[in-house]
Amino acid sequence: NAGVTQTPKFQVLKTGQSMTLQCAQDMNHEYMSWYRQDPGMGLRLIHYSVGAGITDQGEVPNGYNVSRSTTEDFPLRLLSAAPSQTSVYFCASLGGNTEAFFGQGTRLTVV
Amino acid sequence: SQKIEQNSEALNIQEGKTATLTCNYTNYSPAYLQWYRQDPGRGPVFLLLIRENEKEKRKERLKVTFDTTLKQSLFHITASQPADSATYLCAPKAAGNKLTFGGGTRVLVKP
Repeated sequence: NAGVTQTPKFQVLKTGQSMTLQCAQDMNHEYMSWYRQDPGMGLRLIHYSVGAGITDQGEVPNGYNVSRSTTEDFPLRLLSAAPSQTSVYFCASLGGNTEAFFGQGTRLTVV
Repeated sequence: SQKIEQNSEALNIQEGKTATLTCNYTNYSPAYLQWYRQDPGRGPVFLLLIRENEKEKRKERLKVTFDTTLKQSLFHITASQPADSATYLCAPKAAGNKLTFGGGTRVLVKP
């Protein structure tokens, strides 16, 4: 049972480039979400999904897109990377009213 | 708007003492509230969940209280150890709603 798998672990992008952060879970959880965490700060919600085909915005959605075509996968797309998007990104999944499981994080630097 | 507040100042405590952390929320009607631990460079890890109809929950040296009238949860680490040093995050959640976190409180247990 792998839990929540995030790839890549590290990424450096140039300003204006696009990329997709991958997130997959094998626990059949309906709820999945993406967060960013900046130094010394808490987790800020970017986008979330309560099931396949359903997504919604969190606190800081600008510059990011998501889709949820399957229960297992919830990719996060950066359309045109900016230095302000330099951060650590975490994906999480939640089953029913239980605990959330987090991926190992992606450390993204935009230069 | 919904708000989750935790002490942003680090809590320095002597080994063996009890650490008490506070989580206050506004404009929420959570069905339950969760506490997580986060170590540097890692994703949060679930510790405890307390439901709206529960006043107190314990797990080993951890105790959580939940007062829906005060809109507050207290998190206690008794007989604290240096290994308890980490950042602790609270997350009140309404059923079917998004999962958002407080900014976290860093705890440093000194031997």
